Amino acid sequence: EAQVTQNPRYLITVTGKKLTVTCSQNMNHEYMSWYRQDPGLGLRQIYYSMNVEVTDKGDVPEGYKVSRKEKRNFPLILESPSPNQTSLYFCASSLDSGADTQYFGPGTRLTVL
Amino acid sequence: GEDVEQSLFLSVREGDSSVINCTYTDSSSTYLYWYKQEPGAGLQLLTYIFSNMDMKQDQRLTVLLNKKDKHLSLRIADTQTGDSAIYFCAESSGTYKYIFGTGTRLKVLA
Repeated sequence: EAQVTQNPRYLITVTGKKLTVTCSQNMNHEYMSWYRQDPGLGLRQIYYSMNVEVTDKGDVPEGYKVSRKEKRNFPLILESPSPNQTSLYFCASSLDSGADTQYFGPGTRLTVL
Repeated sequence: GEDVEQSLFLSVREGDSSVINCTYTDSSSTYLYWYKQEPGAGLQLLTYIFSNMDMKQDQRLTVLLNKKDKHLSLRIADTQTGDSAIYFCAESSGTYKYIFGTGTRLKVLA
């Protein structure tokens, strides 16, 4: 089944404790992206990747890192999480940008205390 | 920066038509999208329209684009309770960056 998976689905952590949210797709997609969803703000793009080893900043990259060492995986790294990073995070992938359908993962709800 | 705006809530009766509106600021938008988010799930692409089109119809869905006013709408005909969800408008200029709206929560009353 074609899908985007994220782990963990739920995470509660404390300020400053490094964490990684994994994202994996099995559709051989070139393009992957991370978003955060906050009430009243919709989705905001954090980082995206056009292909292996090619990444770029979205609208809200501060406090986040990403890597794309393999085509299928695009982990989101929070080196020193802060409470303002409490949010619902979505990973998405598509064959390319533009007219190609973005497939979204189920989301990771992160709480930073 | 570029912005996409939507009203937050819409309530309609089952069987009526729903119209969800969106305005955007990016004059270089090439693609405009409508996504649906059901409770506890990720987003699902419903439809998209190229900026050189005025209208696109797909079964119960009709998308209208007024490029001059930078206004996009999604009409859902014969709205059903299963259409209750959050609907997001989004735009892209084809440069791998996407701008999403705040989402419109559609509630369908039986």
